[in-house]
Order: sequence, then C-alpha cells, then structure tokens
Amino acid sequence: DIQMTQSPSSLSASVGDRVTITCRASQSISKYLNWYQQKPGKAPKVLIYAASSLQSGVPSRFSGSGSGTDFTLTINSLQPEDFATYYCQQSYNTPYTFGQGTKVEIK
Amino acid sequence: EVQLVESGGGLVQPGGSLRLSCAASGFTFSTYSMNWVRQAPGKGLEWVSYISSSSSTIYYADSVKGRFTISRDNAKNSLYLQMNSLRAEDTAVYYCAREQVIAAPGTRGDWFDPWGQGTLVTVSS
Repeated sequence: DIQMTQSPSSLSASVGDRVTITCRASQSISKYLNWYQQKPGKAPKVLIYAASSLQSGVPSRFSGSGSGTDFTLTINSLQPEDFATYYCQQSYNTPYTFGQGTKVEIK
Repeated sequence: EVQLVESGGGLVQPGGSLRLSCAASGFTFSTYSMNWVRQAPGKGLEWVSYISSSSSTIYYADSVKGRFTISRDNAKNSLYLQMNSLRAEDTAVYYCAREQVIAAPGTRGDWFDPWGQGTLVTVSS
C-alpha cells in the first residue's frame, strides 16, 4: 500500500498568512494526488485534483504543486473560512490512501 | 444539483450486520464509478471500497475484505454497502463519493466529488 505522510499535523496561522502543507508518498504516484478540505461535522470537499488542477468554484488562493513523491498545498492570504482540516489523497492505485490530515487553526 | 444522500446507519452489536444506501441524483449515475470512505470519530479518512460503473470491477480495503460487500443498482440510482461481522473498529461515519476522472493531454487523475453528508455506524454492545 502507498503511505501518505502530511506535515505538519497542525498549524496555527493568522488571517492573511500564507500557509503551506506538504504531503509525501511512499512511492512515486506521478500526479495522482488530490487535496480535500473538511470542516467539523461536514463531508470533505475537493480543492485540488491531479496535483495542481483547481476544482471549479474553489478560490484561486488555493494552489497545488508537485509530482512523483512530494506535493504541496499552498493557501495564499488565509481567510477565516479556511480554518479546517486538510487531507491529501493518492489515486494512483487502490487501496486509495489519505494523509493523516493537517488541522489549520486560528492563531 | 448533484447530490448523494446516505442512509441506513445506526447502532448495531458486534458481529451484527447493517446495509448502507446512497441515493444519487442530478447526474447520470450509471456512468460513474463510486466509492465508500469512512471516518472514525476524531480520526482521519479511510477508503473502504470501489465499484466501477457497470459493477465489473470492485475493490476493498484489507480491513473490510470478506466482511463488506459493495453493490449498485443503476436503475435505482443507488449504491449500497452490506456490512457483516461488524466490529467496534468499524464505528465511523460512512460517506459515499462519486469518482471523477480526467484523462486529457497533460492531465490525468481521479478524485472524489461530490461526497454525501455521511451516515454514522456505531458498533457497540
């Protein structure tokens, strides 16, 4: 199985900050990497698919990069509604696997 | 509006069974692969199972293989998860999710969108 490791597990940031979350795969997954946002009590929502493609309707302050084993989610100018938990997920093969999550909290 | 609505969750004793349903609307259900993903209380996301549009291809996580069965009824726009021999560690919110696929020059991938609201399964005596 492909293991996905996110860092950090949590972070504190202020509105307007630039936030970077990294995700590392245990083997090369090309660009089969997705990012999801989950708010408490809600279902996850896709932000970025195929490593760097912005899902329709998602604000442009979200961006993704990377390929192979190392990936990054960047949030430029953090907004109040961005405080949530973020997960990476590989869709290279089954079993599909998720990172452990990164909780973004208000500083 | 594209929508997925799960039902069938509840409290069940260890060793018991439960059948989850996911009703799809707002899109051509029969042309999409579907998945179940679960989330234990306070924990991260765990993929459970995949079924292709025609049911010809099915995959399971090792943690549920032999106990859970995924199925679908394209005529009823519905996805199912039959869960047998339930254990305490199966306690979780279960989400159904549509699998989106892109295969364009320079961009290939698949992802889950949308997700249902989830249904809670609690396995406890």
